[in-house]
Amino acid sequence: DIVMTQSPDSLAVSLGERATINCKSSQSVLYSSNNKNYLTWYQQKPGQPPKLLIYWASTRESGVPDRFSGSGSGTDFTLTISNLQAEDVAVYYCQQYYVTPWAFGQGTKVEIK
Amino acid sequence: QLQLQESGSGLVKPSQTLSLTCAVSGSSIGSGGYSWSWIRQPPGKGLEWIGYIYPSGSTFYTPSLRGRVTISLDTSKNQFSLRLSSVTAADTAVYYCARSPIIMGTGYLDYWGQGTQVTVSS
Repeated sequence: DIVMTQSPDSLAVSLGERATINCKSSQSVLYSSNNKNYLTWYQQKPGQPPKLLIYWASTRESGVPDRFSGSGSGTDFTLTISNLQAEDVAVYYCQQYYVTPWAFGQGTKVEIK
Repeated sequence: QLQLQESGSGLVKPSQTLSLTCAVSGSSIGSGGYSWSWIRQPPGKGLEWIGYIYPSGSTFYTPSLRGRVTISLDTSKNQFSLRLSSVTAADTAVYYCARSPIIMGTGYLDYWGQGTQVTVSS
């Protein structure tokens, strides 16, 4: 099974600054036949279900602000929140869907400094 | 507007069977194009994917729950269900249902239900 590891577990960022979350998979999630990374990012606010932000590692879901961006390939991925807003306080999860069982990272909590 | 709504037993006794249903509106679950998943989140912890079902009825379950879990489809009611047998306190969690587009495989979850709390206790 693929294991997803996020870092850091939590971070505090000032309003308007950049937050960077890393996600590492225990094996590559890049499918060579279509050159797609089977990696997604979700945002979860307290008391709410997760919300899809990014899929295929870097494709922003419709309606997601462009301050959210995803990058990386193979085993190492990054979610960047530029110009952090108060409403971005949440826990962020990465998930691989390269193989079953699909696996989530442990989550990264983003707070305002 | 697609909506998913979980319902079912909120309190289950140890060793009994947990049963949940996800009612889908705004999309036909039997028409193809999507798989349908269950995910759970223990209190204060992260997300665990339980399994999915395709419109054809084929399923895949996470190995740690295989043997106890069944996901089924009821296209006449446009809903899908989760049954988890022999529950213990470790199965206490918020249970979510979600949809995944079948594009070059499947796997990212684009719509989620609000979740339902299930507590295992005598």
